[in-house]
Amino acid sequence: GAVVSQHPSRVICKSGTSVKIECRSLDFQATTMFWYRQFPKKSLMLMATSNEGSKATYEQGVEKDKFLINHASLTLSTLTVTSAHPEDSSFYICSASPRLAGTDTQYFGPGTRLTVL
Amino acid sequence: GQQLNQSPQSMFIQEGEDVSMNCTSSSIFNTWLWYKQEPGEGPVLLIALYKAGELTSNGRLTAQFGITRKDSFLNISASIPSDVGIYFCAGQQIGGNKLVFGAGTILRVKS
Repeated sequence: GAVVSQHPSRVICKSGTSVKIECRSLDFQATTMFWYRQFPKKSLMLMATSNEGSKATYEQGVEKDKFLINHASLTLSTLTVTSAHPEDSSFYICSASPRLAGTDTQYFGPGTRLTVL
Repeated sequence: GQQLNQSPQSMFIQEGEDVSMNCTSSSIFNTWLWYKQEPGEGPVLLIALYKAGELTSNGRLTAQFGITRKDSFLNISASIPSDVGIYFCAGQQIGGNKLVFGAGTILRVKS
């Protein structure tokens, strides 16, 4: 149980284009999903917290107009990287917390490797 | 942002040896989690700890939630080649749902 999927797993795009990454909880409902960014050999850096039916909460230093988050249902959150630039190339990972009382354990997706040319 | 102090940074051990890694913080945490990440994949939850003093096992893995709520350790017994990866500790503070991550421990196993 507690499976989270991401799509696509890899994407290569040209500078200036927008890229959408989907995060789905497959066997549970998630009121809250999280988006992280990870650089090579580094730890995960939280970008934003995505709440179903409301606006995302962004961490300090993360541009909300550049990284658009939509949490349309209890099983789907999307991250759109707008007007992507080479410095946006990274590994993007989402996580989701099941709607269970007493626990906020996060289960992670497999990640999306974004390369901006 | 705030990070947990995780050590060691890396380990290169012989197959069959036991491994120990730990995380400490100056802040109190309500939950401690241990994840393993393999190259090109997302972190996979190994053990979740919810109570101070709790000792939990998952196969060859054992983790403890420190009694002060400011630390946790993970032990791997009788390591095997497939234990290779990066191990992250993560903590959740009281009243929050965000995770604070350690910097990771890179584990390499020599067979």
